[in-house]
Amino acid sequence: AQSVAQPEDQVNVAEGNPLTVKCTYSVSGNPYLFWYVQYPNRGLQFLLKYITGDNLVKGSYGFEAEFNKSQTSFHLKKPSALVSDSALYFCAVRDPSGGSQGNLIFGKGTKLSVKP
Amino acid sequence: NAGVMQNPRHLVRRRGQEARLRCSPMKGHSHVYWYRQLPEEGLKFMVYLQKENIIDESGMPKERFSAEFPKEGPSILRIQQVVRGDSAAYFCASSGTRTDEQYFGPGTRLTVT
Repeated sequence: AQSVAQPEDQVNVAEGNPLTVKCTYSVSGNPYLFWYVQYPNRGLQFLLKYITGDNLVKGSYGFEAEFNKSQTSFHLKKPSALVSDSALYFCAVRDPSGGSQGNLIFGKGTKLSVKP
Repeated sequence: NAGVMQNPRHLVRRRGQEARLRCSPMKGHSHVYWYRQLPEEGLKFMVYLQKENIIDESGMPKERFSAEFPKEGPSILRIQQVVRGDSAAYFCASSGTRTDEQYFGPGTRLTVT
């Protein structure tokens, strides 16, 4: 069965420090991987995706993510955190060979808190 | 270029009433997805539609829930005889193709009293 795990409910980082939000996945085929961010009482905003190609993917607002097939991970990173990055982050996967027909499987989300 | 639009943003219904949630996809998008987010949880897939067709409804509860995406007009998620457990945020997303990233609307927050 397809699944996504975000092992940390919350990540706390000081402004200016690097941040990492972890994500691991389980699919039967080659995954399509996504990161979304959700601000309070808002919808999800697309940050970045991995379909194929370079394992390091760059996205919006200075975020990047590294696809690691052997560890089945797709951790989200940013070299220098901003207070405005504080939000809820969701990792999602789609298995194009798994018959999901396009829907995304989401992790439970990780709350990122960046303190000044 | 307007994004995905959902209305109403907030909806309050008493137990037993019907709830209708509307979603207009981004211009040029013909793939629509509905997700439900319960408090403190991630999003759960409900249904995937293309114009006039339901492609995948594996996440839809078997009773009381239905969805449509007519040739003209928005996609509608309909919940009949609502119960308190239906209280949640319902998000619609759209994409240009099945494999593209999905763009989400602001959601409809349904409260059942």
